[in-house]
Amino acid sequence: TQLLEQSPQFLSIQEGENLTVYCNSSSVFSSLQWYRQEPGEGPVLLVTVVTGGEVKKLKRLTFQFGDTRKDSSLHITAAQPGDTGLYLCAGGIEAGANNLFFGTGTRLTVIP
Amino acid sequence: ETGVTQSPTHLIKTRGQQVTLRCSSQSGHNTVSWYQQALGQGPQFIFQYYREEENGRGNFPPRFSGLQFPNYSSELNVNALELDDSALYLCASSPGPNTGELFFGEGSRLTVL
Repeated sequence: TQLLEQSPQFLSIQEGENLTVYCNSSSVFSSLQWYRQEPGEGPVLLVTVVTGGEVKKLKRLTFQFGDTRKDSSLHITAAQPGDTGLYLCAGGIEAGANNLFFGTGTRLTVIP
Repeated sequence: ETGVTQSPTHLIKTRGQQVTLRCSSQSGHNTVSWYQQALGQGPQFIFQYYREEENGRGNFPPRFSGLQFPNYSSELNVNALELDDSALYLCASSPGPNTGELFFGEGSRLTVL
């Protein structure tokens, strides 16, 4: 059973398009992280958000933590082929927890 | 690169066998967590080791066990392998047990036949 549900599961878009990935739960999290995982590799941390309503930007990526700390979104502007990968959200119930609950993942393909 | 190394990268076992997976943590990190990632799923927390002791465990049976050594490297042992144990096993090192900072290795892909 996954505490975090991500949507969509699969997304295929053209280079230059915008997209949003959603991460939802019925549980409240102290922190929410987003990772990207490429084939044959482990997940790589993109961002950590800890405050309800918090918005963080990383170049063309915008991350938001929901006001109730039960959901999050990742928005990519002008997607590039290098953005292709599996995007995972992960939540920590307790502050600073290393035992994270990962979402089901969104597999993004950006077509040149 | 995270500086976390895992071995072996791939291995095949048969049902009932035992397996040991190894992980070297990033320099300066004293905590290691293990995750299981089944095909098409997100990683699931198995357990964490800090100061050579298990410090937190997910919903995995006792046949999943581990060790941490004085140099902070770690092993994951799985006994009586089942077909459903086929997965990518990820090790993550952290600078402490409650930092929320995870640096993952590339994983060990286990196939159980």
